[in-house]
Amino acid sequence: AQKVTQAQTEISVVEKEDVTLDCVYETRDTTYYLFWYKQPPSGELVFLIRRNSFDEQNEISGRYSWNFQKSTSSFNFTITASQVVDSAVYFCALSVVSKADSWGKFQFGAGTQVVVTP
Amino acid sequence: DGGITQSPKYLFRKEGQNVTLSCEQNLNHDAMYWYRQDPGQGLRLIYYSQIVNDFQKGDIAEGYSVSREKKESFPLTVTSAQKNPTAFYLCASSVGSRELFFGEGSRLTVL
Repeated sequence: AQKVTQAQTEISVVEKEDVTLDCVYETRDTTYYLFWYKQPPSGELVFLIRRNSFDEQNEISGRYSWNFQKSTSSFNFTITASQVVDSAVYFCALSVVSKADSWGKFQFGAGTQVVVTP
Repeated sequence: DGGITQSPKYLFRKEGQNVTLSCEQNLNHDAMYWYRQDPGQGLRLIYYSQIVNDFQKGDIAEGYSVSREKKESFPLTVTSAQKNPTAFYLCASSVGSRELFFGEGSRLTVL
C-alpha cells in the first residue's frame, strides 16, 4: 500500500520569506511518480510538477524548487521569496506505475495550507 | 483548449433528492476519476473508470453512482443514500499513472 504524509497542516509566513513544504512517502514499488499540486481558494487543483522514481535531480522553476531524496523517501517543495498569490493548499501525491492497469493509483497527502501575509 | 469541464459549479439539493454532476474532458484520456474533498481535508476517491463502459469503486463509493458511456463523459450521481453529501467534488482524468488533470470542481450543498 502507498502512503503520503504531509506533517505540516498550516504554515504562515510574511511576504518574501522562503517556505518549505515537507512530503514523505511510502511505497514498495520501485517505479512510481511523485507530484505536487496547488489548490488556490477557487478550488481547482493545479499541477506543478511530476518526478519519476529514477530521476533524483532537483528541479527549479522560477521561485519554486523541489528536492527529491529516495534515501529518505522525501519530496520537499520550497517557495522562495513568497508572495501573497502563493497562499493556497499544496498537495503532494504519489502514483505507482502499474503494468497491468491503464489507470493511475494516486495517493494524496492531507495537504499543507500556506498563508502568506503582506 | 484541452481540459476538463465540470458543471454545475454550485449546486443545492434538498434532502432525499438525487443530483447528477457533469464531467466532460477533451484530452482524449482513457482514465477518469471522481474525488470528494471535505473542508480542511485531502482528496478521497469515489469512483474511477479505466475505459468506456467500465468503472470501479474507490474508497468511498457508497451513496454514489457513475456511468461511462462515452470516453469524454463521466457523470456522477449523488443519491439520497449518501448520508452526508455536502462537499466539494472534483473530476479528473489521466494517462495511466501520469499526472491527473482536474476540473474546477462542483460544490454541493444539502439544504
